[in-house]
Amino acid sequence: EAEVAQSPRYKITEKSQAVAFWCDPISGHATLYWYRQILGQGPELLVQFQDESVVDDSQLPKDRFSAERLKGVDSTLKIQPAELGDSAMYLCASSLELSMGTEAFFGQGTRLTVV
Amino acid sequence: AQSVTQLDSQVPVFEEAPVELRCNYSSSVSVYLFWYVQYPNQGLQLLLKYLSGSTLVESINGFEAEFNKSQTSFHLRKPSVHISDTAEYFCAVKGSGYSTLTFGKGTMLLVSP
Repeated sequence: EAEVAQSPRYKITEKSQAVAFWCDPISGHATLYWYRQILGQGPELLVQFQDESVVDDSQLPKDRFSAERLKGVDSTLKIQPAELGDSAMYLCASSLELSMGTEAFFGQGTRLTVV
Repeated sequence: AQSVTQLDSQVPVFEEAPVELRCNYSSSVSVYLFWYVQYPNQGLQLLLKYLSGSTLVESINGFEAEFNKSQTSFHLRKPSVHISDTAEYFCAVKGSGYSTLTFGKGTMLLVSP
């Protein structure tokens, strides 16, 4: 069964360091999402791609976060520099097509701890 | 803009009892509605979805949800819960067109023997 792949599963980094997460969506899925989930809360959208284009990055803290999906397939989310408040689960999801009501499929997530 | 409200942060229930997890949404356009389940340190898994047609939708493991347009609700129900249903449940809404998928804050379902 096709899955959304994310790596690493766990990451511990010191504040002020750079950190990067990788996501490989299900083959053929045009839409890719990055969410941040703080412990005990619901996922909050950081950035949303349709193919290689950013559709919504209004909630992405652009002074320290960046995201790219250069060839419209896999994606990288980067934080530089990391802050203590960035500790959270980072979830990647993909769906067939943004304009349709198809569901999003989620990866296992990357648990980030900033110390 | 769209939003989702899950009124209960935690719902404790005994095994084999019925349960309802509440979800209300707001949106200025027609919507698609979803319930996801999350187990500890895992990603989210789709439980069920409403896209169109029948307002009552069911999952393979006994959950059901009913879309109520007039009350803007999509409550999740199960007539008899199991210990294994213990998890966090998230309601999500997506508007038609190029809108994003927005989640509620989640409801922790705690099933005890």
